[in-house]
Amino acid sequence: AQSVTQLGSHVSVSEGALVLLRCNYSSSVPPYLFWYVQYPNQGLQLLLKYTSAATLVKGINGFEAEFKKSETSFHLTKPSAHMSDAAEYFCAVSDYKGGKLIFGQGTELSVKP
Amino acid sequence: DVKVTQSSRYLVKRTGEKVFLECVQDMDHENMFWYRQDPGLGLRLIYFSYDVKMKEKGDIPEGYSVSREKKERFSLILESASTNQTSMYLCASTGWNTEAFFGQGTRLTVV
Repeated sequence: AQSVTQLGSHVSVSEGALVLLRCNYSSSVPPYLFWYVQYPNQGLQLLLKYTSAATLVKGINGFEAEFKKSETSFHLTKPSAHMSDAAEYFCAVSDYKGGKLIFGQGTELSVKP
Repeated sequence: DVKVTQSSRYLVKRTGEKVFLECVQDMDHENMFWYRQDPGLGLRLIYFSYDVKMKEKGDIPEGYSVSREKKERFSLILESASTNQTSMYLCASTGWNTEAFFGQGTRLTVV
């Protein structure tokens, strides 16, 4: 069975600081991994995805994530936080690209001026 | 622009009512999903469908049913709404080789 754990339900950073949101996964097959962002009262928008190509994946809005098989991790980073990055972020795993997603608990990111 | 459209953004229903949540996608996707989102629990899969008239239970199907009579439409049904079904409901669709696209969500309150 697949599962996802996001460490930290709330993360707060200052504007301009590094953003690091942690995600660890469990999967018995090579995983497809995703990060989604949700702004208040909105649906989910895809930030980036890992589908067994390059281990360092670049997404929208300056975000990137690195797939580390040995650590079963897929942490999300952004070098410099912007106020508009304040949102909830979800990590998800699937056993194939169009398959059902298993989500982590979500991490709410706050950005202080 | 690809779209997954949920029929209502906000709904208020009474305990015991039968509730229908509708989802339509315009991408000719084969797969459709219903998730429930609650604070601290992330998104949990209720039901999904890989084809017309086909359905499979997700992780929390109790108290729900679904219908998929046409490829583009996937309905979630609460047979007898209860207060513990107050939540945000999200519909998603995928093709066999595409990532998931989500609707805007329906915030359901059962009173």
